[in-house]
Amino acid sequence: DTGVSQDPRHKITKRGQNVTFRCDPISEHNRLYWYRQTLGQGPEFLTYFQNEAQLEKSRLLSDRFSAERPKGSFSTLEIQRTEQGDSAMYLCASSLGVGAGEQYFGPGTRLTVT
Amino acid sequence: AQSVTQLDSHVSVSEGTPVLLRCNYSSSYSPSLFWYVQHPNKGLQLLLKYTSAATLVKGINGFEAEFKKSETSFHLTKPSAHMSDAAEYFCVWGAPMGSSASKIIFGSGTRLSIRP
Repeated sequence: DTGVSQDPRHKITKRGQNVTFRCDPISEHNRLYWYRQTLGQGPEFLTYFQNEAQLEKSRLLSDRFSAERPKGSFSTLEIQRTEQGDSAMYLCASSLGVGAGEQYFGPGTRLTVT
Repeated sequence: AQSVTQLDSHVSVSEGTPVLLRCNYSSSYSPSLFWYVQHPNKGLQLLLKYTSAATLVKGINGFEAEFKKSETSFHLTKPSAHMSDAAEYFCVWGAPMGSSASKIIFGSGTRLSIRP
C-alpha cells in the first residue's frame, strides 16, 4: 500500500502527558498537511509543510503543539501537556505540486485524553 | 473571508432515489471546490473537484456537481443512491488553480443515510 500512513491509529493518554504522532506521506508528494477533526465537524487545518519548510500554521496550533518534517519525508506532530480538549482525530494528508490540488488523506490518529 | 456552508447536516434517501447534498461557498474570487467522502473508519477520499474548467464536474461512483457562480453553489448529486453511498460528505473550498496557496477549508459535513 503506497498511501498515506499514520501511527499510532489510536492513543489514550492522561491529561498532562506528551504525545507524538507520525505521518508518512506518499513518497513523491512535496506537501504535507495536518488537520484536527472533532466529532460532528469537518477537519480543521492545523499546519502544512512544503518539503521540510513549515509554511503556515493555524491559530488553532497553540504553543503546546509542534510539528516537524525534518528531511522532507515523514512528519511528526507533538502535543505537550495534553488537555481533555485535545481529544480528537488528527489527520495527515499529502499532495504533489502547488496550490489547492487533490490531497490524499491518511486514516488518522484518534487521541483520547482522560 | 472564504468559507463553505453545507446546508443539511443529515440527508436520508431511499435506495435507488436521487441524492442532493447542498453546498454554498463564500469567496472573494473564483475558488477551487471539492467534495470529499468519509466512510466510517476510513480515510477521506476525493469524490470530485472543480478547478475553473467545465462547470459540471463528474466524479467517482456516479456522483457529479455543478458550479453555479450566480448562486455561489456547488451541490453534489447522484441519480440513484446505493447502500454503499452511506457516509459523511464534505464540501471543501480551496484557492484557485494557479495559486500557490495550499490551505483548504472544510464544511461541517452532511451525513448521508440510505434507506433500504
